[in-house]
This record gives sequence, C-alpha cells and structure tokens, in this order.
Amino acid sequence: DAGVIQSPRHEVTEMGQEVTLRCKPISGHNSLFWYRQTMMRGLELLIYFNNNVPIDDSGMPEDRFSAKMPNASFSTLKIQPSEPRDSAVYFCASSWTVSYHEQYFGPGTRLTVT
Amino acid sequence: QQQVKQSPQSLIVQKGGISIINCAYENTAFDYFPWYQQFPGKGPALLIAIRPDVSEKKEGRFTISFNKSAKQFSLHIMDSQPGDSATYFCAAKQTSNTGKLIFGQGTTLQVKP
Repeated sequence: DAGVIQSPRHEVTEMGQEVTLRCKPISGHNSLFWYRQTMMRGLELLIYFNNNVPIDDSGMPEDRFSAKMPNASFSTLKIQPSEPRDSAVYFCASSWTVSYHEQYFGPGTRLTVT
Repeated sequence: QQQVKQSPQSLIVQKGGISIINCAYENTAFDYFPWYQQFPGKGPALLIAIRPDVSEKKEGRFTISFNKSAKQFSLHIMDSQPGDSATYFCAAKQTSNTGKLIFGQGTTLQVKP
C-alpha cells in the first residue's frame, strides 16, 4: 500500500493567495483527519471526516480555511486568502474508523506564506 | 478544554541509556493512550498504545507505564539507540464515537553515540 499521499510536499506562496492542499487516504479507510503542526502550537486537529462527511471542524482557525472530501479517495484543505501566520506543516491522516486509535499520517505539506 | 501535558520538551541520552518521557491528562474521558514517533520530514507514526485498564505494556525496547489514579502515563525506551532520535508525542483518544486524538506538545529525543 502506498500509504497516505499528500501534495504538494512544499508550497511557497505570497500573502493573499489561495492555497490548496491535497490528500489521498489509504484505500478502505473511512476516516480522514487534517492536522497543522507548528513549533508553538504542536499538532492541532483542524477537521475530520467520517465516510466523506465532516464531523468536527471546531479546530479550523478561521473562515479562511475550508476542507472538502468529495469522495472516499480525495480531500482538499483550502486557505483563502493565505497569511504568513498560516505557515506550518499540514498533515493528512486516515484511519479505519473515526474511533480507532491508530491514525496513518501522510508525509505532510510544508507551507510557507511570505 | 481537554489537555495532555508532556515533558520534557527535549531530552538528550547517551547510547544504551534509558529515555523517559512523561505525560499527564486532565480528565477521564479517554479510552486509549497511544504514543507516536516522528522522524524529521515525516509524519507521525504509531509506536505503541495502551488501554487505561492496563498498567504496563511492553513492545521490544519500548514500554508504556500507566497510572490511572494519577492520570499519568510514560514512555520508557530501554537501551536507547541513535536511531531512536526523533520527536515523540503522547496522545489520548476521547471516549466517544468521534474519538478525537488529543496530542501532547512533543519531546525531541537525541541519543548520542
């Protein structure tokens, strides 16, 4: 299995631009999670889906952030407009079920907003 | 807000030594306590996990000790090796169908040869 796939691996953009991060979960996993990692705040859960339906988006920092999961094999996290404080590593993770303790993380997307 | 507090923030151990990382949680609405290991440039990966009805779990050189009454749990790495150098996160899984993982702040471990 290829594991969780994220793209791009690195993204550098200017403040005000739209950024779209992509994730392909492991086939057969029903739950998908988006995290943000920074030195100051550690690993933060932004939003998660179960069977393609958003369950909890309370971690999404602002309305500038949105996430979709149009089908079981694809999810996007969009930031519009981006700001320098959004610079972080964004991880996507998937799991067999939302209540299972093991989540499989992708390699992450390092976002830099200048 | 439910929290998991992790210490120390960083740790340096000599090869062959014991690495100990501690975590404490603030309420009882958790039903699983996993530890994740993250190497630079990679995503976290599950290392070992324990249920709250078990006081200790060992897998190879890695052991979790769990103290339910004190709401504390710790990771012990015996015979630490340079290849163990990574960031370690403790976590607690919420008791519910939604099952969110609450992560500690992480401990960066460096094992010196």
